[in-house]
Amino acid sequence: EAGVTQFPSHSVIEKGQTVTLRCDPISGHDNLYWYRRVMGKEIKFLLHFVKESKQDESGMPNNRFLAERTGGTYSTLKVQPAELEDSGVYFCASSLAGQETQYFGPGTRLLVL
Amino acid sequence: QKEVEQNSGPLSVPEGAIASLNCTYSDRGSQSFFWYRQYSGKSPELIMFIYSNGDKEDGRFTAQLNKASQYVSLLIRDSQPSDSATYLCAVNEGDYKLSFGAGTTVTVRA
Repeated sequence: EAGVTQFPSHSVIEKGQTVTLRCDPISGHDNLYWYRRVMGKEIKFLLHFVKESKQDESGMPNNRFLAERTGGTYSTLKVQPAELEDSGVYFCASSLAGQETQYFGPGTRLLVL
Repeated sequence: QKEVEQNSGPLSVPEGAIASLNCTYSDRGSQSFFWYRQYSGKSPELIMFIYSNGDKEDGRFTAQLNKASQYVSLLIRDSQPSDSATYLCAVNEGDYKLSFGAGTTVTVRA
């Protein structure tokens, strides 16, 4: 069974540009999460989808970040416009309905110049 | 988010020794705890989870939980070079939101 996949693996953009990250969860996992690790810091929660609905978006830093999960399958996280402090590794994770165990993808390494 | 603290690394142990990793958490109401292993540039990989006070063993790994002391640990017995990685402690704050520690990097010397 395929694990959580994320695309792209790396992205280098200039300040002010837009970047869209994609996450494909494990098939059948209703729960999808986005996390972020900025340089030197711990991994921080961004938001949680249950199917296509946002269950908790308390970790989203500001309105430059927009997450979607249309159809309840894959999810996208768009940063518009990107700022220098958005640089970091963005992880996606998924879990089965009712299960706490989260399985992580390899992350997207974002560098904003 | 609640705080999760891990013992500062890096931790260097000889092959065959026991590696001991510690983690404390601030939210007394936390109920579930996870240890992830992360190799450089790879995804965090779940290796253990524990919900009840006491010890939980899985192969060479033992997780220990003490909710009264708000403390969870991970022991790696018979450490192998392949165990060299960063170990992340994660605590479920509730509603499936995980709080992570900064991680402890372990190096097993052959």
